[in-house]
Amino acid sequence: GESVGLHLPTLSVQEGDNSIINCAYSNSASDYFIWYKQESGKGPQFIIDIRSNMDKRQGQRVTVLLNKTVKHLSLQIAATQPGDSAVYFCAERADSSYKLIFGSGTRLLVRP
Amino acid sequence: DVKVTQSSRYLVKRTGEKVFLECVQDMDHENMFWYRQDPGLGLRLIYFSYDVKMKEKGDIPEGYSVSREKKERFSLILESASTNQTSMYLCASSRSWTEAFFGQGTRLTVV
Repeated sequence: GESVGLHLPTLSVQEGDNSIINCAYSNSASDYFIWYKQESGKGPQFIIDIRSNMDKRQGQRVTVLLNKTVKHLSLQIAATQPGDSAVYFCAERADSSYKLIFGSGTRLLVRP
Repeated sequence: DVKVTQSSRYLVKRTGEKVFLECVQDMDHENMFWYRQDPGLGLRLIYFSYDVKMKEKGDIPEGYSVSREKKERFSLILESASTNQTSMYLCASSRSWTEAFFGQGTRLTVV
C-alpha cells in the first residue's frame, strides 16, 4: 500500500488495548480541532471534532481531550481493533478562519 | 453520505505538461479545497474556494491555479508540471468552516 509518511511517529498497541494518540498544536487562538484517520491509499476520514469551549468529547469508541493550557490534544481509542490501523492526523483551525492546519500524523499499528 | 470524487487515482505526466486534476462533490458544499500531501510535511493547502468563481491562495499556490465554474466542481491546474510537483493531491469540501470531507486522492508522478 501507499505510505503517507515514511518517518512518522508510530504507536504499536495490542488488539483490545486502549490507544492514546497525542498532538501538540501551535496557536493559542485556535478554536476548533479535528481528528482524521487515513488508511493506506485513501483520503483522510473525519473521526471526531471539538471546539475550544470544551475539554472533552466522546464518540463511538473514541474520546478527544483538549488541554488549552498546554495546547495539547489527544485521541483515545477504546478496545483497539485491527481496522484502527492507520495514520491519524490532528488539525486546528485558527481564529475562525477557513484554514485547517494539519499535524504531520501518527501511525497506529495494532498487533493481533 | 458525503461523496468527494477525484477523477484519477494515479497519473503520470511529463515535465512541462499542463495537468488538470478534477474534483466533484455531491453535497452542495460551498467550500472546496486542494491540498498536497508529502512525507514529513503533512497536508499543505494549495488553494481553496468559498463560492463559484471565487478562489483564495493557500500556503503553497506557486505553480498551481484553480477553476470553479460550477459549485460542485473544483479543478486544480498545473500550468507546466515539474518533478517537484510529484505528490499526493487531496481535494476536500465542507459546508461551513468546520470538518472537511476528503476525496480518495490522486497520486501524481511527474517524470
